Amino acid sequence: NAGVMQNPRHLVRRRGQEARLRCSPMKGHSHVYWYRQLPEEGLKFMVYLQKENIIDESGMPKERFSAEFPKEGPSILRIQQVVRGDSAAYFCASSPRQGFENIQYFGAGTRLSVL
Amino acid sequence: GIQVEQSPPDLILQEGANSTLRCNFSDSVNNLQWFHQNPWGQLINLFYIPSGTKQNGRLSATTVATERYSLLYISSSQTTDSGVYFCAVGGGATNKLIFGTGTLLAVQP
Repeated sequence: NAGVMQNPRHLVRRRGQEARLRCSPMKGHSHVYWYRQLPEEGLKFMVYLQKENIIDESGMPKERFSAEFPKEGPSILRIQQVVRGDSAAYFCASSPRQGFENIQYFGAGTRLSVL
Repeated sequence: GIQVEQSPPDLILQEGANSTLRCNFSDSVNNLQWFHQNPWGQLINLFYIPSGTKQNGRLSATTVATERYSLLYISSSQTTDSGVYFCAVGGGATNKLIFGTGTLLAVQP
């Protein structure tokens, strides 16, 4: 059973460009979470999605950030007009959330560098 | 929201020593996970332990949910154990994880 797959592993963008981060959950998982780790900090929740629905986006910045999890294909975290402060590691996690099984499995992360 | 505190913030050990890391949380939870973030930034899932005790090799963990704390034990530490150890708790309808600030562990040969 393949783990959570994130790509790209490293992404370099210039200020003002768009960044698209992709996450393929583990097989059979329909719940996806995105977290951000700023330099020298812990991880902070951004958004929780189920297939075709955003359930909780309370951790998302109000502007420039969006997320989707379509019926087919990976979940996408999109950052428009990136700024230097967006430089961080972005982690995706998936969960089966069936019964009492609440464990979240994490991908290797995407490291975004904004020049 | 739920508060998560980890102690100690930093720890230096000689190879072969044992250690205990602590995680306190402020409310009842239905998920607690321990992670190791290695020097390359990868987040390794160590334990899913909302309650009870588990062991995996040289590592073990205990969560006392009624008293709102969890302990991670590392025995016979090795240099490859170095990195940051995070505790994260989840609760409520969404089960989003709240991470502690981590314990930075350095194991010296």
